[in-house]
Amino acid sequence: GAGVSQSPSNKVTEKGKDVELRCDPISGHTALYWYRQSLGQGLEFLIYFQGNSAPDKSGLPSDRFSAERTGGSVSTLTIQRTQQEDSAVYLCASSTSGGGPIPTQYFGPGTRLTVL
Amino acid sequence: AQTVTQSQPEMSVQEAETVTLSCTYDTSENNYYLFWYKQPPSRQMILVIRQEAYKQQNATENRFSVNFQKAAKSFSLKISDSQLGDTAMYFCAFMRDTGTASKLTFGTGTRLQVTL
Repeated sequence: GAGVSQSPSNKVTEKGKDVELRCDPISGHTALYWYRQSLGQGLEFLIYFQGNSAPDKSGLPSDRFSAERTGGSVSTLTIQRTQQEDSAVYLCASSTSGGGPIPTQYFGPGTRLTVL
Repeated sequence: AQTVTQSQPEMSVQEAETVTLSCTYDTSENNYYLFWYKQPPSRQMILVIRQEAYKQQNATENRFSVNFQKAAKSFSLKISDSQLGDTAMYFCAFMRDTGTASKLTFGTGTRLQVTL
């Protein structure tokens, strides 16, 4: 079946602009995660959504970052007033909920964000 | 908080040889999952192998196997009969078993180069 998809693949923006990154999870997966991969920080957790529960936002680095998940499926990560330190690859993953088989996370191809 | 340590930033192995990548972690949890992901230059994170902490038997997937030592908090990956396509970054990751979805905590990665 189809895997996790992300768009755009690459995004170049100017400092101070807002950007939106999209993630389409594997059909039937109720959990969705965002991670950031940068040279200086490695792979960092940002936020995850689990069904209808309140999202775990504990990894968001500042209030310029927000995410939503509409209809329990597609998610959008929004970065407002982008800064150069936001330049990174943003990875999305999805999984089942757990309570049964290992809730393995499957990743999308990522969005490379470059802030000039 | 959990931490994952990969002490080998880079490794090299000749084709058809065997290589072992090390991973240690720190946690106070008793139930958790461990994963190895590979990330080739294409940027796609691909699941290699996974292990449930309550299982003493080491997981195997074709040429890939792990040596899971729970008391030592060690989770090394052995790649047998290395192939050129195994060239990638390898990340060790930890996930708490909360009964639902949970975030991954990653190590800093090991860059593996398979040579002729």
